[in-house]
Amino acid sequence: QVQLQQWGAGLLKPSETLSLTCALYGGSFSGYYWSWIRQPPGKGLEWIGEINHSGTTNYNPSLKSRVTISVDTSKNQFSLKLDSVTAADTAVYFCAKLAQWSSVWYFDLWGRGTLVTVSS
Amino acid sequence: DIQMTQSPSSLSASVGDRVTITCRASQSITRYLNWYQQKPGKAPKLLIYAASSLQSGVPSRFSGSGSGTDFTLTISSLQPEDFATYYCQQSYSSPRTFGQGTKVESK
Repeated sequence: QVQLQQWGAGLLKPSETLSLTCALYGGSFSGYYWSWIRQPPGKGLEWIGEINHSGTTNYNPSLKSRVTISVDTSKNQFSLKLDSVTAADTAVYFCAKLAQWSSVWYFDLWGRGTLVTVSS
Repeated sequence: DIQMTQSPSSLSASVGDRVTITCRASQSITRYLNWYQQKPGKAPKLLIYAASSLQSGVPSRFSGSGSGTDFTLTISSLQPEDFATYYCQQSYSSPRTFGQGTKVESK
């Protein structure tokens, strides 16, 4: 069964760096984009950015200055780093696979989510 | 950025009802529109991609329509497991953006 498993620190202090990793099990890593999406408690979804197996990235301009997404194809993993976190970065962070049909990209596989809380 | 606006933000319905949710884009996105269902504490689940294509394994009571700026998600006969929040999302241009969500509650 194809699945994404994600992990990382769940409690950070302001100014620290958020670090999460997501691994693909049971499927092919190439030919897709791999994304991070977040959801503040009780709010909607915000796309953070994405990467493909070649390392090509796209970031949300609202977070671009603080975000780095990287990939390790040997392990079928991709990672998110978000620098200088504040309380506004408190959210559930999801990893997701972007698939394509007829040039339309959509998120067809999601990780279970990791709650990251930023508090002093 | 392309803004996605859903209406209503919430609705109350009964099992068996026909439910319609609307999503409007701030500019034309042709058919680059996807729909997701999210239940509390869970990740979103893809229902519809490219405005009207049903994702594999999704019940046929779900359907999508529209193009350009106006799109609709319809549940033909609401089932108990359909009480959830629904999001539209555009893939026409970066950054990828979502609607604010529509919560479907039990009447």
